[in-house]
Amino acid sequence: GENVEQHPSTLSVQEGDSAVIKCTYSDSASNYFPWYKQELGKGPQLIIDIRSNVGEKKDQRIAVTLNKTAKHFSLHITETQPEDSAVYFCAANRLSGTYKYIFGTGTRLKVLA
Amino acid sequence: EPEVTQTPSHQVTQMGQEVILRCVPISNHLYFYWYRQILGQKVEFLVSFYNNEISEKSEIFDDQFSVERPDGSNFTLKIRSTKLEDSAMYFCASRGIAGVAKNIQYFGAGTRLSVL
Repeated sequence: GENVEQHPSTLSVQEGDSAVIKCTYSDSASNYFPWYKQELGKGPQLIIDIRSNVGEKKDQRIAVTLNKTAKHFSLHITETQPEDSAVYFCAANRLSGTYKYIFGTGTRLKVLA
Repeated sequence: EPEVTQTPSHQVTQMGQEVILRCVPISNHLYFYWYRQILGQKVEFLVSFYNNEISEKSEIFDDQFSVERPDGSNFTLKIRSTKLEDSAMYFCASRGIAGVAKNIQYFGAGTRLSVL
């Protein structure tokens, strides 16, 4: 069935270092890949997304890369700051039908000051 | 910025009781979703809802679950007879119908359901 694997489950980095979170999806029909950030007590918030016709997308300190052949996509955060500490979820979606998301298991990122 | 709101933030109930989780989606959105996350596990799709009917449901969404849009603003998830394994965080999400926002689901902060 449809599945998204996400690694690592926890990640600690020093402030200013980069963080990389990786996801792998199984459904070859997936063509939209959002990343959500969840802070304590809040719902998941979209931080960046990528469609399958693009290999990379960047927004300031965050970037997402997609390898459709390998069914991998990754989130890159550069120059991490303490406020980047949160749980990050990747998801895969077909932009058709009900548009349901298949989520990864989440990564708890801690940025150490 | 418009947001999805969920109430209550935490619901404690006894096994076998009925619970209703409430959501107010973003006002001009027409697609609605419920997801759940059991502690330590991934966020799982439960059901999608459009035009006053279920458009897709997962195998988790059995006869104990139901959804309703009782008025123009609320979207509810009812669990008829709760089980211990229903304990989880339940997220509501909504999606618009036009432009880039059509792809994006906006999530509420969740309701933590604890079944004792």
